Amino acid sequence: EDKVVQSPLSLVVHEGDTVTLNCSYEVTNFRSLLWYKQEKKAPTFLFMLTSSGIEKKSGRLSSILDKKELFSILNITATQTGDSAVYLCAVLREYGNKLVFGAGTILRVKS
Amino acid sequence: DAGITQSPRHKVTETGTPVTLRCHQTENHRYMYWYRQDPGHGLRLIHYSYGVKDTDKGEVSDGYSVSRSKTEDFLLTLESATSSQTSVYFCAISESTSGQPQHFGDGTRLSIL
Repeated sequence: EDKVVQSPLSLVVHEGDTVTLNCSYEVTNFRSLLWYKQEKKAPTFLFMLTSSGIEKKSGRLSSILDKKELFSILNITATQTGDSAVYLCAVLREYGNKLVFGAGTILRVKS
Repeated sequence: DAGITQSPRHKVTETGTPVTLRCHQTENHRYMYWYRQDPGHGLRLIHYSYGVKDTDKGEVSDGYSVSRSKTEDFLLTLESATSSQTSVYFCAISESTSGQPQHFGDGTRLSIL
């Protein structure tokens, strides 16, 4: 059975801290791994990772994929209160364009 | 923002009643999806569509049916709602299967009493 596991389930940090969110997966017919940020409404797309070892970066956020060890990390540097959200990891399977989601990591950034 | 509108945004209904949720898109994307989100489970795929009148089941399809008669509309129906179907329902769209990310609507909060 396909499985995506995120850790930690939740964390609380102070503004300015750096955080690392983890995502491990066991999915047949892996195509790519996606990260989403969810505040109060719709999950919003952050990154899509297909190749191992290539870092994707957007401002203070970055992510990398390890297809050998079957995991990805999402880093957020110099955190701000606006980073408070649920971060979702999902794996896209090769056929049918189906996403398998992890349960998410709840991040709270205190000022 | 992706042009996705879900309706209604909130609904409270009683066990045993039929419920239909609507997803409308203005992006002309081929693929549309229905997910439910519950605490501790993340998002789980209910059904998806890969074209007009072409649909398939996801991992939690029991008790749900879908229809897509036009590219822009994807309907999710609960024929006889149960309390276990209380959830937040999200619609998503994507342009293709060749690595395009799915984009989500704002969700429908459904409570079944």
